[in-house]
Amino acid sequence: GQNIDQPTEMTATEGAIVQINCTYQTSGFNGLFWYQQHAGEAPTFLSYNVLDGLEEKGRFSSFLSRSKGYSYLLLKELQMKDSASYLCAPVDSNYQLIWGAGTKLIIKP
Amino acid sequence: DAEITQSPRHKITETGRQVTLACHQTWNHNNMFWYRQDLGHGLRLIHYSYGVQDTNKGEVSDGYSVSRSNTEDLPLTLESAASSQTSVYFCASSTGTGDMETQYFGPGTRLLVL
Repeated sequence: GQNIDQPTEMTATEGAIVQINCTYQTSGFNGLFWYQQHAGEAPTFLSYNVLDGLEEKGRFSSFLSRSKGYSYLLLKELQMKDSASYLCAPVDSNYQLIWGAGTKLIIKP
Repeated sequence: DAEITQSPRHKITETGRQVTLACHQTWNHNNMFWYRQDLGHGLRLIHYSYGVQDTNKGEVSDGYSVSRSNTEDLPLTLESAASSQTSVYFCASSTGTGDMETQYFGPGTRLLVL
C-alpha cells in the first residue's frame, strides 16, 4: 500500500531553523511536492523534487533521497508567518499526488 | 489575473439532499481535481479530469459525481448528502502539458451535512 509519514506537530522559535521530515512508500515514484497550508486557507506550492539532493529556494530548502524514501523541508530564519501546516506529497506511478496528513508547525516568539 | 474560484464558500445542507459545489478556473488548465480534507487525514482525491468530457474516479469517489463540459468548470455533485460528507472541499488545477505539474488550489468550500 501507499503510506506517508510525517510528524503531526512541531514547535520552533522565531529566528531558528526547523527540519520537517517525511518518509513515504508509494507504488512507483515521480517526484515529491511540499505545500504550505495556513489555517483555513488553501494549500500553496513550496517545492518539487524529482532528483536526489537539496534544492534551496530562499529561506526554504527541500531534500530528497529516493533510495531511502525520505524527504525533508528545511525552514531557516523562522518568522511568525511560517506558522502553518506543511504537506508532503509524493507522486505515484499514475502521476497522482499521495498526500500526507501534514505537519503543523507552531512558531513561538 | 487568472485564478481558481469555488462557490459557495460555506454550505449547510440536510441529509439526503443533492448538493453541487462549483469550481471555476481562468488559467485555461486542462487538468482539474476535487479533494476533500478532514482532520487527521491528508487530502483525498475524489474525482479528476484531464480535459473536456474526461472524468475519472479518485480514491473516495462513492457518493460524488463530476462533469466537464468546458475547460473552465468542474462542478462536484453530492447525489444524496450524508453526514460522512461533512468536510472541506478543495478544487485544484494544473496545466496538463507535462508529466508532473504543480497543482493550484481554490480557496475551499466548507460543507456541513446535518
